[in-house]
Amino acid sequence: GENVEQHPSTLSVQEGDSAVIKCTYSDSASNYFPWYKQELGKGPQLIIDIRSNVGEKKDQRIAVTLNKTAKHFSLHITETQPEDSAVYFCAASTLMDSNYQLIWGAGTKLIIKP
Amino acid sequence: DAGITQSPRHKVTETGTPVTLRCHQTENHRYMYWYRQDPGHGLRLIHYSYGVKDTDKGEVSDGYSVSRSKTEDFLLTLESATSSQTSVYFCAISEDRGSYNEQFFGPGTRLTVL
Repeated sequence: GENVEQHPSTLSVQEGDSAVIKCTYSDSASNYFPWYKQELGKGPQLIIDIRSNVGEKKDQRIAVTLNKTAKHFSLHITETQPEDSAVYFCAASTLMDSNYQLIWGAGTKLIIKP
Repeated sequence: DAGITQSPRHKVTETGTPVTLRCHQTENHRYMYWYRQDPGHGLRLIHYSYGVKDTDKGEVSDGYSVSRSKTEDFLLTLESATSSQTSVYFCAISEDRGSYNEQFFGPGTRLTVL
């Protein structure tokens, strides 16, 4: 079955610098890759996603890239701000029992240093 | 939180007692999910529903049961709670997009089993 690995588990960057979080997946049939941000005490919130027919997608300071050949995708945050501090999760969609499920990475705690 | 509420938001119970968590949505989405979140494990799927009275097991379903008698409500029951079920439980909903589904999360329920 699908397996998603996420690195690093913790990332500390200076405010204003860029942050990159990477995920790899195992199921070559996976076709949808969302990223979620989870703030303390809240549920995960979808921040950006990418379909397998696209290599890169941007939304203001965040971007996601996908390399289907290598089976990895990454989240890029530029000009980081204190409010970017949170736990970020990647996921990959896979077909299981005739329904699409999300398989999740273990999460990355992003710390923005002032 | 995308029209999703969870109740209760916090609960403390004793080992061996039954517990029911409720997820309610106002989006009329077809799919509903129950996840648990534990440190180092990310999000793990317990059960999901793909329609009224249609449910299936996820990765960590042992010790849990679910019911969906109406589109808007999805109940998670711990028949006899154990300390290993101490966790934060999240409900999610999604609509069928054909080859993938975006999931939106509720605020979570923190359950402590003593």
